[in-house]
Amino acid sequence: DAGVTQSPTHLIKTRGQHVTLRCSPISGHKSVSWYQQVLGQGPQFIFQYYEKEERGRGNFPDRFSARQFPNYSSELNVNALLLGDSALYLCASSRQGSNTGELFFGEGSRLTVL
Amino acid sequence: QKEVEQDPGPLSVPEGAIVSLNCTYSNSAFQYFMWYRQYSRKGPELLMYTYSSGNKEDGRFTAQVDKSSKYISLFIRDSQPSDSATYLCAMSESGGGADGLTFGKGTHLIIQP
Repeated sequence: DAGVTQSPTHLIKTRGQHVTLRCSPISGHKSVSWYQQVLGQGPQFIFQYYEKEERGRGNFPDRFSARQFPNYSSELNVNALLLGDSALYLCASSRQGSNTGELFFGEGSRLTVL
Repeated sequence: QKEVEQDPGPLSVPEGAIVSLNCTYSNSAFQYFMWYRQYSRKGPELLMYTYSSGNKEDGRFTAQVDKSSKYISLFIRDSQPSDSATYLCAMSESGGGADGLTFGKGTHLIIQP
């Protein structure tokens, strides 16, 4: 079975630009979460989506937004990029909603902002 | 004080040794506790998942949770060079859903052949 897939794997942007990252969950999983992992740190929670609705949000500015599609795939958008947005962006999926149990992560999209 | 504290290491041990990794936390509402393994430039892989206090064993891995002390541990028996990775502890109030998971910084583990 295919795991969580993310695209693109690597990308380089300049300050002020916007970026869209994509995620396909494991087949049968309806919940998608996004995390930001800065080098040398643990992942930080950005969003959780379940059944196409935002169910939870971490401490990130409004420049970060996301959505989930009817096929449960998801996009993370970041506007007005800052140097500090350079990080590995991880998508995770799980079967259920709020009490999800186990999260399964993808390989991530590595964003570099110059 | 961060919500989850984890020694970043590196922790270097010889092959075959028992490895002990641990985290402390401050939020007494955490009920779900996880350990993830992350190889360089890869996504985290779930190793162990426990609810509330107690022990859980899976092969060479044992997870312990002591909620009274706000302390969790992961033990790796008969460590192998392939166990060399960063180990992240994670925890949440509701299982990692709407409140997300709170991670430690990760401990970089090196198993010497």
